[in-house]
Amino acid sequence: DAGITQSPRYKITETGRQVTLMCHQTWSHSYMFWYRQDLGHGLRLIYYSAAADITDKGEVPDGYVVSRSKTENFPLTLESATRSQTSVYFCASSGSGAGELFFGEGSRLTVL
Amino acid sequence: KNEVEQSPQNLTAQEGEFITINCSYSVGISALHWLQQHPGGGIVSLFMLSSGKKKHGRLIATINIQEKHSSLHITASHPRDSAVYICALDRGSTLGRLYFGRGTQLTVWP
Repeated sequence: DAGITQSPRYKITETGRQVTLMCHQTWSHSYMFWYRQDLGHGLRLIYYSAAADITDKGEVPDGYVVSRSKTENFPLTLESATRSQTSVYFCASSGSGAGELFFGEGSRLTVL
Repeated sequence: KNEVEQSPQNLTAQEGEFITINCSYSVGISALHWLQQHPGGGIVSLFMLSSGKKKHGRLIATINIQEKHSSLHITASHPRDSAVYICALDRGSTLGRLYFGRGTQLTVWP
């Protein structure tokens, strides 16, 4: 099906473990984004990508790594998960940097 | 201080009522987005506007650039409109970088 999908939808892990959240979109959108959503903070940008092999930091990038070898995929990796990274993570895409955003369903991550 | 403030934080209404959610901001913007987040988490873009007014079904969004204020109106509200409504600013500086409000939780009772 066309759209933007995230996996896993739910993940429980332990402090120190590596976790990768996957994001896949079928529209060939150039721009992709990772946000985290926490109570009291709203959505905050972690990383974004303007095209394959082009990524840049957002507002809260520490502790996260991204890559974009293919236009349709934008994985987010927590190299050594911490409890403060317990959050709901949203991937989004846009055909242009200033256009409408399309969000995935979210990935709820709990770090114990 | 957050660049974007929404009011009210929580709103309860009876089915059929006219709803207004406000978004005020303190910085220059190139566009403003209204998003809807239903229980369970999915986020949907409702409007993106840089001037004037847009309408889609029972939803109307307006923006006054001079006053740095936007409103989202819902006419003839329905329980399925119950969701969190989020205002987000595009400051035009970093492509795709939006500044999000904390959202307004709307509950519409039948």
